[in-house]
Amino acid sequence: AAGVIQSPRHLIKEKRETATLKCYPIPRHDTVYWYQQGPGQDPQFLISFYEKMQSDKGSIPDRFSAQQFSDYHSELNMSSLELGDSALYFCASSLGDRSYEQYFGPGTRLTVT
Amino acid sequence: TQLLEQSPQFLSIQEGENLTVYCNSSSVFSSLQWYRQEPGEGPVLLVTVVTGGEVKKLKRLTFQFGDARKDSSLHITAAQPGDTGLYLCAGFDSWGKLQFGAGTQVVVTP
Repeated sequence: AAGVIQSPRHLIKEKRETATLKCYPIPRHDTVYWYQQGPGQDPQFLISFYEKMQSDKGSIPDRFSAQQFSDYHSELNMSSLELGDSALYFCASSLGDRSYEQYFGPGTRLTVT
Repeated sequence: TQLLEQSPQFLSIQEGENLTVYCNSSSVFSSLQWYRQEPGEGPVLLVTVVTGGEVKKLKRLTFQFGDARKDSSLHITAAQPGDTGLYLCAGFDSWGKLQFGAGTQVVVTP
């Protein structure tokens, strides 16, 4: 079965640079969630979109923004990168808003140097 | 403060042994989920428990949801090296956001 696709899988950026992470949900899933997982930590919810509209917001820094497009894929834009932004970024998708079953992608490992 | 407390944090056992991982909270959840995560990969959903007292089995894995829907456990029978991974429980908080426990790292050695 098709899973959530994330690209790139690895990304190295320097401080103050910008990064864009992409997420392609499972076909027919209309909701996308973004999570950040620091080393040795559990995933922390950043933001979610349902039917191309922001549905929930978590601990997402103001330097980050995201959107969901008409084909339901989503992009997380990160500007003025800081060393502390180094983490695994996961996208998850579900069918319907506030579905209790979210399916996670393989993640993007962002390293800020 | 973690909404969901998992114990133990780390578990190392020999192949063939049994193990139990616990997930506890002072809050009531409409459902709880268990994920397994391998290094550098995304969490993989194993099961969702919805009804208090519910028991679900997935091959050698048995998941139980407490009667009061505040806790859950994961029991693995005859563990195999392939069961090695980080086991995370997760539930939706009162704002509808998925919150994870800190995880239990399970290592099964041959």
